[in-house]
Amino acid sequence: EAAVTQSPRNKVAVTGGKVTLSCNQTNNHNNMYWYRQDTGHGLRLIHYSYGAGSTEKGDIPDGYKASRPSQENFSLILELATPSQTSVYFCASGDLGGRMAEQFFGPGTRLTVL
Amino acid sequence: AQSVTQPDARVTVSEGASLQLRCKYSYFGTPYLFWYVQYPRQGLQLLLKYYPGDPVVQGVNGFEAEFSKSNSSFHLRKASVHWSDWAVYFCAVLSNYNVLYFGSGTKLTVEP
Repeated sequence: EAAVTQSPRNKVAVTGGKVTLSCNQTNNHNNMYWYRQDTGHGLRLIHYSYGAGSTEKGDIPDGYKASRPSQENFSLILELATPSQTSVYFCASGDLGGRMAEQFFGPGTRLTVL
Repeated sequence: AQSVTQPDARVTVSEGASLQLRCKYSYFGTPYLFWYVQYPRQGLQLLLKYYPGDPVVQGVNGFEAEFSKSNSSFHLRKASVHWSDWAVYFCAVLSNYNVLYFGSGTKLTVEP
């Protein structure tokens, strides 16, 4: 069974502080993704990666950085957290080419910025 | 650009009744489409996926979906809803650069 884990599961941060959300996958997927989920918006793509060392901007990258140091790990970094970044963040891994397309999600991280 | 619209934010059905959740997509060409389910406080789980071929696809737990190119739709159906189906359902379309774009979701409530 494919596995995507996230840490921490819950985080309270202060405005202006630095926050790092971590994601690990054991699926050996090339692609990894960070989304945020807000009521009424579904899931919106922040950053994604095609493999170790690569990061790409998604639809809402402002205020976020990403890092993919290895095949297994993908981090989302908020250098200066703001209350508008309070949300639930989901990491996913997948290979979406062709008929074998699949994407697996982690359990989510609930971030509150005060 | 690709996009997905789920016109119903909330749907309520009685247990044992049939269900249809609507999804409309926008995509140039023939899309790859997905339905995911999210149970409370959990991540998303894949229900089913469509790639070019048979327009009706079967998924887990008795769910199925039908692709219609003429209507730009990919509606999810279930013949008899169970209380455990109470969840949020997301439709998604695959972009040209292997990224999923999600609709805003439909929250399903099951009444006894």
